[in-house]
Amino acid sequence: KAGVTQTPRYLIKTRGQQVTLSCSPISGHRSVSWYQQTPGQGLQFLFEYFSETQRNKGNFPGRFSGRQFSNSRSEMNVSTLELGDSALYLCASSFGDSSYEQYFGPGTRLTVT
Amino acid sequence: QKEVEQNSGPLSVPEGAIASLNCTYSDRGSQSFFWYRQYSGKSPELIMSIYSNGDKEDGRFTAQLNKASQYVSLLIRDSQPSDSATYLCAVNIREYGNKLVFGAGTILRVKS
Repeated sequence: KAGVTQTPRYLIKTRGQQVTLSCSPISGHRSVSWYQQTPGQGLQFLFEYFSETQRNKGNFPGRFSGRQFSNSRSEMNVSTLELGDSALYLCASSFGDSSYEQYFGPGTRLTVT
Repeated sequence: QKEVEQNSGPLSVPEGAIASLNCTYSDRGSQSFFWYRQYSGKSPELIMSIYSNGDKEDGRFTAQLNKASQYVSLLIRDSQPSDSATYLCAVNIREYGNKLVFGAGTILRVKS
């Protein structure tokens, strides 16, 4: 069974630009969660989508948004990039049931200059 | 108090020894507990999940859960240098809509 895939793997953007990251979950998984990981803050929850609906949201500004498509693929968008947005962005997929067992993709390394 | 707390380490153990990693959590109603392993520059990998009090063994790994003490641990037997990584504890926290909350991670170093 194929794992979670994320594209692109690496990205360099300039402050003020916007970026869209993509995540394809494991086949059969209906939930996709997004996380930001930085050395100083660790793994921070951004949001979770289940069946095309945002089910949960972390404490990030509105510049961070996401969506999920009918095939469970998800995208997250960051507008007006800031230097502090440089991080590893991870998505994790799960069945979305009460077990909460999540499997991570390889991540997208975003560098903002 | 942080929702999920781990000692940041590093925890250094000799090859072949037992490594013991600990995690405490704040939500008494939490039902799902996970251990992830993350190698430097890689994404977290799920290695153990536990939902009931007691021990759960999988190969060289044993997860232990004590809900009364709000404590979950991971034991790694016969530690190998390849076990050197950061171990993340994750717990579902009801007050945050049942999302998973991750600890900051414990760095484990296995010396050969």
